[in-house]
Amino acid sequence: AQTVTQSQPEMSVQEAETVTLSCTYDTSESDYYLFWYKQPPSRQMILVIRQEAYKQQNATENRFSVNFQKAAKSFSLKISDSQLGDAAMYFCAYRSGMGGADGLTFGKGTHLIIQP
Amino acid sequence: DTGVSQDPRHKITKRGQNVTFRCDPISEHNRLYWYRQTLGQGPEFLTYFQNEAQLEKSRLLSDRFSAERPKGSFSTLEIQRTEQGDSAMYLCASSYNEQFFGPGTRLTVL
Repeated sequence: AQTVTQSQPEMSVQEAETVTLSCTYDTSESDYYLFWYKQPPSRQMILVIRQEAYKQQNATENRFSVNFQKAAKSFSLKISDSQLGDAAMYFCAYRSGMGGADGLTFGKGTHLIIQP
Repeated sequence: DTGVSQDPRHKITKRGQNVTFRCDPISEHNRLYWYRQTLGQGPEFLTYFQNEAQLEKSRLLSDRFSAERPKGSFSTLEIQRTEQGDSAMYLCASSYNEQFFGPGTRLTVL
């Protein structure tokens, strides 16, 4: 079974600074997808960014980028120019690329605090 | 279409009662998922449908839990004989590629 580990229960960053959230995963599969989701307080989960394991290029979405290290099974999220609206729980998630195994496996999350 | 919707948003019940939750996916999405999230944890996968077929069930889905998607559109999740350990947020997601989540139903079992 796949596992996802987020070792930082909480991170704090000054507004406009850059922060990196860590995620490691364990799998024996070669074909899979990785995701970062954001869950603001009392609001629904939003997809931030996704990475296909077969792609070497790191995914980027505006101020959000990932550092995907396949051999190390590491998938960190970098948030540049942090804004107050970035405050939320961030979850790293794994999905198998094998047909029929479509559920996401999530880490425990990192609570991101933005200090004004 | 405004996204995935779930009803009710909150449910308080007494131990031993049955509860049913509904999820309406984004209309063009053929896949629908149920997850459970307890306080301080990430969501845990329960089950998923492709159209009306239930294709995957987690070992977390005990025999007290049943999910349906009769016409490949909305889905229901029923919990029979609720226990205090069932208290959680129940999340629904739908997808064509990426999964989009609903706001969840928060269940409290007294």
